[in-house]
Amino acid sequence: AQSVSQHNHHVILSEAASLELGCNYSYGGTVNLFWYVQYPGQHLQLLLKYFSGDPLVKGIKGFEAEFIKSKFSFNLRKPSVQWSDTAEYFCAVNGVGTYKYIFGTGTRLKVLA
Amino acid sequence: DAGVTQSPTHLIKTRGQQVTLRCSPKSGHDTVSWYQQALGQGPQFIFQYYEEEERQRGNFPDRFSGHQFPNYSSELNVNALLLGDSALYLCASSLNLGIPQYFGPGTRLTVL
Repeated sequence: AQSVSQHNHHVILSEAASLELGCNYSYGGTVNLFWYVQYPGQHLQLLLKYFSGDPLVKGIKGFEAEFIKSKFSFNLRKPSVQWSDTAEYFCAVNGVGTYKYIFGTGTRLKVLA
Repeated sequence: DAGVTQSPTHLIKTRGQQVTLRCSPKSGHDTVSWYQQALGQGPQFIFQYYEEEERQRGNFPDRFSGHQFPNYSSELNVNALLLGDSALYLCASSLNLGIPQYFGPGTRLTVL
């Protein structure tokens, strides 16, 4: 079955702490991978994407994600979080050549000032 | 730029009724995708429209149908509403690669 798992539903960090949000997927085929973010009071938006090539992808606001094919994972990282990173983060996958995007259940990150 | 807009914001219907939700994509975007998001869950893909055609469909029954107009705006129709259809319905717009880039605020549908 095609699915995305985000095991951390809620994460609380202090400012300047390092962040790693887990994402594992199950999909029979070549995939594209995405992270989306929803800041409080705002709409869901694309944070970063992986299609192919360098498995380390850099996005906006200092976020990066690493695709580890052998582990079916695409974890999101940031070396030092800020209060403004408080948001809900969704991992998503789609099969290459398809338009169906499968989302995880999301991780709510709260950063304490 | 207004971004992705959706209407109405909230809607209350009873079982068996029909509902139409509307979406206007971000300026310059020609592809619209619809998602259903139940409480505590991630968005679930309903279908995607490009050039007024349904390009791909998720695992939703035929009660869910859609339409895209020449100006790229789109409608989602749900017939014979069930209690389980209560959810937030999101619209996402993108260019023809189909990657949902920007989502709208959603329409909260409650079925009683």
